[in-house]
Amino acid sequence: IQMTQSPSSLSVSVGDRVTITCRASQTIDNYLHWYQQKPGKAPKLLIYAVSALQSGAPSRFSGSGYGTEFTLTITNLQPEDFATYHCQQTYSTPRTFGQGTKVEIK
Amino acid sequence: EVQLVESGGGLVKPGGSLRLSCVASGFSFISSTMNWVRQAPGKGLEWVSSISISGDYIYYTDSLKDRFTVSRDNAKNSLYLQMNNLRGEDTAVYYCARATGFQQLDSFDYWGQGTLVTVSS
Repeated sequence: IQMTQSPSSLSVSVGDRVTITCRASQTIDNYLHWYQQKPGKAPKLLIYAVSALQSGAPSRFSGSGYGTEFTLTITNLQPEDFATYHCQQTYSTPRTFGQGTKVEIK
Repeated sequence: EVQLVESGGGLVKPGGSLRLSCVASGFSFISSTMNWVRQAPGKGLEWVSSISISGDYIYYTDSLKDRFTVSRDNAKNSLYLQMNNLRGEDTAVYYCARATGFQQLDSFDYWGQGTLVTVSS
C-alpha cells in the first residue's frame, strides 16, 4: 500500500491552522497513524487510529478520515510544532509511511 | 521509564555486514511485537522488518528480505537486525520501535534514539 502525503512542505506562522493530507493507494479502514519528528530525533506517535490522541499529545492536534483519505490538522500552531509529520498505515505489511510533510516557519 | 537503546551502527564497506542491537526496558518486551524502521539522510521513514512476540511471525520489506535478518532474545529484552551484503543505499539511521498491539492498531509508540549505519568505501 502506497501512502502519499501532501504537501511535502509548507511555510506557516505561529497561530496558523495547518492541514496535511495523507492518501492510501487502497483502503486501510482506520489503520492510519501520525508521527511528529524533530531534527535529529526519533519520531513520536501523535495520533493513532485516525483520530485518537496519543497520551501527552496536545489537543490542538486532530485527525480525520477513513478508507483512503486522511487529514491531520493543527490549530493555533505553536513554536514547538515546527517539525516533520509522517503518516503510516498498519492495515497490512509492509507498514508503509508517507514521504513526510515538513512544517517550517514563514 | 521506557527505553529502547540501539547499538551496532558504524561505517562499513560495501558488501560488508553489521549486526544492530536494541535493548528494551521499562515495558513488557516479551509481550510486544517489535520493528525496525530506517531513515536515509534527508529522506522519509522506511519500515524494514517486524518480529512477533515469540519470533514465529517475521516480515520484511520485499527489497531487503534476502539480505537482512531480524531476531529477538526475550530473555535479554533484546532485538537484533543482521545486515549482510550492505550497499550504499542502506546508509540510514536505523530505529527500533514497539508496536502497540490491537488496541492501538499496531501503531508504533516507543522508539529508540537510532543508530547510524554508513556504507561507504
